[in-house]
Amino acid sequence: ETGVTQTPRHLVMGMTNKKSLKCEQHLGHNAMYWYKQSAKKPLELMFVYNFKEQTENNSVPSRFSPECPNSSHLFLHLHTLQPEDSALYLCASSQASLQGSAGELFFGEGSRLTVL
Amino acid sequence: RKEVEQDPGPFNVPEGATVAFNCTYSNSASQSFFWYRQDCRKEPKLLMSVYSSGNEDGRFTAQLNRASQYISLLIRDSKLSDSATYLCVVSYGNKLVFGAGTILRVKS
Repeated sequence: ETGVTQTPRHLVMGMTNKKSLKCEQHLGHNAMYWYKQSAKKPLELMFVYNFKEQTENNSVPSRFSPECPNSSHLFLHLHTLQPEDSALYLCASSQASLQGSAGELFFGEGSRLTVL
Repeated sequence: RKEVEQDPGPFNVPEGATVAFNCTYSNSASQSFFWYRQDCRKEPKLLMSVYSSGNEDGRFTAQLNRASQYISLLIRDSKLSDSATYLCVVSYGNKLVFGAGTILRVKS
């Protein structure tokens, strides 16, 4: 069993659909992250939550809306996406220090999103 | 300039070879440094942290040069199972920035 689980693993949606990606971590960590991985590009940090508070929003378009109801769960709500948003969306968690440094990231297997 | 730059490769090497990857970073305020490994169609996983004094873990040696803002990874006696993408990662605060990765292919 992996420490970080993501669902769904694959998602195909039209540009007018609304869908959500879900992430759950079973590691007791206090920080969770969304990253986007496109072909031949570096992982792009999208959002960071420390102790359920959003501490980073990396200029992500508003069509991506994160939600962190507790320290174990993280959602990414999607609406009116564009074809260029097709990518692998990776969730990660870590035990961040009180000083705010991230620590080792543990990733989920990712949700592969295709926008038609 | 990219925050973290790596040679994308691919590096094609025979089993048993020694191979070195380099990485440069642009933010001098960076605090922590790591190498992650990502297998094809899998999630990234931590390979090793990188310390100023340099550190070794079996066949893997990592070096950091803060003055030159440069990180390296040396793999000795390459195995077929070392084939993967190696990601250089730099952090400041709670933000981890990934390089695009260097592809290694070890062939028999």
